[in-house]
Amino acid sequence: QKEVEQDPGPLSVPEGAIVSLNCTYSNSAFQYFMWYRQYSRKGPELLMYTYSSGNKEDGRFTAQVDKSSKYISLFIRDSQPSDSATYLCATQGAGGFKTIFGAGTRLFVKA
Amino acid sequence: GAGVSQSPSNKVTEKGKDVELRCDPISGHTALYWYRQSLGQGLEFLIYFQGNSAPDKSGLPSDRFSAERTGGSVSTLTIQRTQQEDSAVYLCASSSSGRVGEQFFGPGTRLTVL
Repeated sequence: QKEVEQDPGPLSVPEGAIVSLNCTYSNSAFQYFMWYRQYSRKGPELLMYTYSSGNKEDGRFTAQVDKSSKYISLFIRDSQPSDSATYLCATQGAGGFKTIFGAGTRLFVKA
Repeated sequence: GAGVSQSPSNKVTEKGKDVELRCDPISGHTALYWYRQSLGQGLEFLIYFQGNSAPDKSGLPSDRFSAERTGGSVSTLTIQRTQQEDSAVYLCASSSSGRVGEQFFGPGTRLTVL
């Protein structure tokens, strides 16, 4: 079993839709949770970063962590064609910097 | 300011040859990571450097892989006796030790082993 599981998709939605991206993880020691966005042939860039359980909002993006169920979510409101990319969830333990990434979900937003 | 840079951007080599991939992190960043991304796969952690501490090499897939970081800055990932399964994009990232979680990635080196 992978430490972080993520459905690779692809996920295709119409412009303006609400997008829900999800990951599960197995190690309860993970404390930091991140979402990265990766455009084709580019390196990933950090979108959202949360510590422990709870919600964090940044513009059209909301990251949600439920440590009791080991579930991580990213919601995108009013999705735009420019949101078309691969979204990777990632986790880190409290004591170290080793980062475990999910496989990434490929998102297509159709105009 | 300058971001993370990697060279070469593309590398084609023959099976059995050695290759060196270079990463220039953001100036002042003490942490440096190497990852491998195969088609349809997520980022596979390879190795992590933090300041002068011993690197975390737990992700290196075999003893053909090694990495060094000179002077706390530039890093080189070396793959000896390359195999076709080594074909992937190799990504480098750096971070400031004060911001756990936030890593800045380079554009990657696309390695193709024929």
